[in-house]
Amino acid sequence: DTGVSQDPRHKITKRGQNVTFRCDPISEHNRLYWYRQTLGQGPEFLTYFQNEAQLEKSRLLSDRFSAERPKGSFSTLEIQRTEQGDSAMYLCASSFWGNYRGYTFGSGTRLTVV
Amino acid sequence: AQTVTQSQPEMSVQEAETVTLSCTYDTSESDYYLFWYKQPPSRQMILVIRQEAYKQQNATENRFSVNFQKAAKSFSLKISDSQLGDAAMYFCAYRSAYYQLIWGAGTKLIIKP
Repeated sequence: DTGVSQDPRHKITKRGQNVTFRCDPISEHNRLYWYRQTLGQGPEFLTYFQNEAQLEKSRLLSDRFSAERPKGSFSTLEIQRTEQGDSAMYLCASSFWGNYRGYTFGSGTRLTVV
Repeated sequence: AQTVTQSQPEMSVQEAETVTLSCTYDTSESDYYLFWYKQPPSRQMILVIRQEAYKQQNATENRFSVNFQKAAKSFSLKISDSQLGDAAMYFCAYRSAYYQLIWGAGTKLIIKP
């Protein structure tokens, strides 16, 4: 297991299009988190899963955003009707509940909406 | 709500010298975790060091150590013997009881050769 993988690394899309990102966490990690990071800022929490259950969603996550984690393995984050303000780095992280050593992050997906 | 503040947008240090990055936070919780993460340019976020609030002893990881002042809600990172590879954005993060991380705005660390 080589860590948390995110796909794609970069995505350029036209405003109004839908996009979907994928995150493959470390296999034994049961918690998965999505964060959004804009240039020069720290990440902002979007949502997290424990196994397949989505336990919390940020108020930042508008109705155009939806996340899933079927079978408690990989996760997808979909943005519908993209807007220029959605341009950011989308980070995925995973951890094992009960292990408080921290979170392992993926390399992120950089979204540019033109 | 919890907040994390990093008051130094940018810091620079001469190679082999010591630098301290500041972080303060606000919370009403008594049990929590604090982290320092490093984000090199165009690379992933890497955990540098973590501190459990219930531990009085400051965490240390090789050249990295923290000064955790719980009453003052301060959590600074000291990097000793700075190396060129330490150049990155450094983020202080607070882990709430709900497990999400709350982040500071980051400090850009520049290492001068």
